[in-house]
Amino acid sequence: EAQVTQNPRYLITVTGKKLTVTCSQNMNHEYMSWYRQDPGLGLRQIYYSMNVEVTDKGDVPEGYKVSRKEKRNFPLILESPSPNQTSLYFCASSLSVFGQGYNEQFFGPGTRLTVL
Amino acid sequence: KQEVTQIPAALSVPEGENLVLNCSFTDSAIYNLQWFRQDPGKGLTSLLLIQSSQREQTSGRLNASLDKSSGRSTLYIAASQPGDSATYLCAVGGMNTGFQKLVFGTGTRLLVSP
Repeated sequence: EAQVTQNPRYLITVTGKKLTVTCSQNMNHEYMSWYRQDPGLGLRQIYYSMNVEVTDKGDVPEGYKVSRKEKRNFPLILESPSPNQTSLYFCASSLSVFGQGYNEQFFGPGTRLTVL
Repeated sequence: KQEVTQIPAALSVPEGENLVLNCSFTDSAIYNLQWFRQDPGKGLTSLLLIQSSQREQTSGRLNASLDKSSGRSTLYIAASQPGDSATYLCAVGGMNTGFQKLVFGTGTRLLVSP
C-alpha cells in the first residue's frame, strides 16, 4: 500500500530533551516536507526537501533540523524542544520534478507532540 | 503573500442535505488547489486535486470547482452522510509561494447529524 508513515504518533517529552520524528514514504517520491498544525493558524511548512541531500527552510524552521540521506526517509529533529513546539506534525510527499508544476501531495497520519 | 480563507469555520447539517464549502485565496497565480479531509486523530486525506487549467473535478458525491480569476473554490457534497463529518481543508500550490509548498486554509468543521 502506498503511504507515508510517521513515528511516533504521540510523544510527550520535557524541555531540552532531543527527539526525532521519523517519516518514511514508499512511493519513490522526490519531494518531502514537514508541516505543523496549530489551532487558528492552520498548517505551516517547517522544512522541505526536493531530493536526496537537498533541503530548505519553510515558513517556520526555527528550532528544527532535517536530513535527507535516503530518498524514502525525511526525519524531523528537535535538538532542544521547547513548549512552543507543542503541536501536531505532518509529513508529506509528492512525485514532483522541478519546473513541471505541482503534483498531488500525500500526508502521513500525524505526530502529536507535547513538550512540558 | 498568499492567504487562504475558508468560510464557514463550522457547519452543522442534517443527513441528506447538499452542501457547499467555500475557499478563497488572495493570489491567483496558482499551480493547483487541493481539498483534504481531516478526521480527529488521523492524517490528511486528499479528496480532489484541481490543476490551474481545470475548472472542476468530481469524485463520487464530491465536486470541486475552481475560479482562478476570482480566487475561489467550492467543494460541493451531495446527499451528505454522517460519515462525512470531518474537517475539510483547502490548500493552494502557488507560483509565488515556494517550490511545491501548499498554503492551507484553517478549515471548515462539518457535522452531519443522522
